[in-house]
Amino acid sequence: AQSVTQLGSHVSVSEGALVLLRCNYSSSVPPYLFWYVQYPNQGLQLLLKYTTGATLVKGINGFEAEFKKSETSFHLTKPSAHMSDAAEYFCAVSDAGTASKLTFGTGTRLQVTL
Amino acid sequence: DGGITQSPKYLFRKEGQNVTLSCEQNLNHDAMYWYRQDPGQGLRLIYYSQIVNDFQKGDIAEGYSVSREKKESFPLTVTSAQKNPTAFYLCASRPGTGLTDTQYFGPGTRLTVL
Repeated sequence: AQSVTQLGSHVSVSEGALVLLRCNYSSSVPPYLFWYVQYPNQGLQLLLKYTTGATLVKGINGFEAEFKKSETSFHLTKPSAHMSDAAEYFCAVSDAGTASKLTFGTGTRLQVTL
Repeated sequence: DGGITQSPKYLFRKEGQNVTLSCEQNLNHDAMYWYRQDPGQGLRLIYYSQIVNDFQKGDIAEGYSVSREKKESFPLTVTSAQKNPTAFYLCASRPGTGLTDTQYFGPGTRLTVL
């Protein structure tokens, strides 16, 4: 069965600092990986996704993530944090063994301070 | 504007009452999903439907029921059998059942059972 682990339920960075949100997955077959963002009391919005091909994926709002098969990781990064990046971030995985279902991590809340 | 609507945004019910949450999409998507979100637990799948008149249980279906009589609508009923119904409920849809298809989320309904 597939699973997702997000290390760190809360991450705090200063405005302008590097953002690094960690995601590790477990899957017995090649995975498809997603990062979503959720602002308070709202639905989830797709930031980026990895399907096949280039392992460095660029998304919206300056975020990117790199698929590393050897480390079973798909960490999300942004070079310079902005106050508007404060939100909760979810990593998710799907694979051929689970039809069209996504399995989500427990989320990481990003705080951005002045 | 295409999208997913969920109504109402906030819902209060007395213990022991059934309640139905609405989810409508005008994206012409085949697949629809219901998730429950609790603090620190990520999103958990309740039910999903890949085609009209067909649906499957997710990971936490007990105490919930759904119907899919129309492509654009996927209402969720929280029954009195659900032991702890207070939560944030999210509806999602995706174009088909391809593994790389993006899931799009509605704005959510926050249910509080008093």
